[in-house]
Amino acid sequence: DQQVKQNSPSLSVQEGRISILNCDYTNSMFDYFLWYKKYPAEGPTFLISISSIKDKNEDGRFTVFLNKSAKHLSLHIVPSQPGDSAVYFCAARPTGTASKLTFGTGTRLQVTL
Amino acid sequence: ETGVTQTPRHLVMGMTNKKSLKCEQHLGHNAMYWYKQSAKKPLELMFVYNFKEQTENNSVPSRFSPECPNSSHLFLHLHTLQPEDSALYLCASSQEGGVRNEKLFFGSGTQLSVL
Repeated sequence: DQQVKQNSPSLSVQEGRISILNCDYTNSMFDYFLWYKKYPAEGPTFLISISSIKDKNEDGRFTVFLNKSAKHLSLHIVPSQPGDSAVYFCAARPTGTASKLTFGTGTRLQVTL
Repeated sequence: ETGVTQTPRHLVMGMTNKKSLKCEQHLGHNAMYWYKQSAKKPLELMFVYNFKEQTENNSVPSRFSPECPNSSHLFLHLHTLQPEDSALYLCASSQEGGVRNEKLFFGSGTQLSVL
């Protein structure tokens, strides 16, 4: 049973527009959420995170929104750039188990010219 | 370059072979991890080591045997694997595995094919 779900396997966005990647979770014990980005032939790299005490965290072009009641988070990239083309993984961590990240299956983002 | 180096990048092995995956981190971290990523599946945590001690074994079959001789090195010894073990094996490190809100730094992975 997947506790972290990324229901869109792929997304295509034009350069300069907004990219919105979505993630849903089922475990109400999750209290810390992360987004990782992965290029081909490389390992995932940390992008941005959010604690459950917040509903928004912003870092440059990247903003993560958390809706606890809906158990939903989203990553917004504005403006999207061709270098953002990668696979994006959502991950979540339950309270009290700092080492146990649960990942989603990833969304492949393609930013077109 | 994330500071976590994995070798080899690619490995093909038969079911009767014994091989080892190696991971080295140059970040001064104290926690190291093995993850498995199968096609179209999420990353799955396999093992966690904190200060060289194994703190997590996520019900991994005994044909996978981890070894952590020091905080900078992590090995995954493989023997009598099955074709369904073919996957990308990722090593990661973090400052300390028991700290809340920590970020993992991943290596590039070893793409393993079991024939």
